[in-house]
Amino acid sequence: GENVGLHLPTLSVQEGDNSIINCAYSNSASDYFIWYKQESGKGPQFIIDIRSNMDKRQGQRVTVLLNKTVKHLSLQIAATQPGDSAVYFCAETHQTGANNLFFGTGTRLTVIP
Amino acid sequence: DGGITQSPKYLFRKEGQNVTLSCEQNLNHDAMYWYRQDPGQGLRLIYYSQIVNDFQKGDIAEGYSVSREKKESFPLTVTSAQKNPTAFYLCASSGQGRRAFFGQGTRLTVV
Repeated sequence: GENVGLHLPTLSVQEGDNSIINCAYSNSASDYFIWYKQESGKGPQFIIDIRSNMDKRQGQRVTVLLNKTVKHLSLQIAATQPGDSAVYFCAETHQTGANNLFFGTGTRLTVIP
Repeated sequence: DGGITQSPKYLFRKEGQNVTLSCEQNLNHDAMYWYRQDPGQGLRLIYYSQIVNDFQKGDIAEGYSVSREKKESFPLTVTSAQKNPTAFYLCASSGQGRRAFFGQGTRLTVV
């Protein structure tokens, strides 16, 4: 299968600080990337996406950065809140891959009040 | 309310029994997927379907079967051949934009 991995399995941050979650991918043909947030016992929810023709995309309190040279993706969460505590997955797909999403293991983010 | 619905939320299976997990979507998406999630792990693809009456095996299809008779429905059967079925099962669908939308999952336990 695809190798979409995360650098850190767990991340703890103080409330109010910024969080950075990293993701590496191996398929240079990947052209669409998504970050999902999964709370305990629930299905993953879409956070933000980015296509390979972009380097950066911003949402509300979240920013995704894409470095195609080193096949690296990151999710930045500004002013992290307790409600941000969850597991975060990156996923990638490419036009030639039958639209399958390939997921990494995930990073568990814990926000310390 | 548009979305993707999985049922039941919790399911218990006896040894040697087949069970079927339901997945329904009203998003008019062509593609539907089944993933398995084990504790502390990511999502692994079981089966996917790009169009009605067609489906393909994913990475861990052994012991599972699916059907896609209607665009809205993609049920997953966990057969007795699946020796370790206890897991969290997630169904997803996607349209032209390729962004996948997930259901809330079914937790299957062998008793």
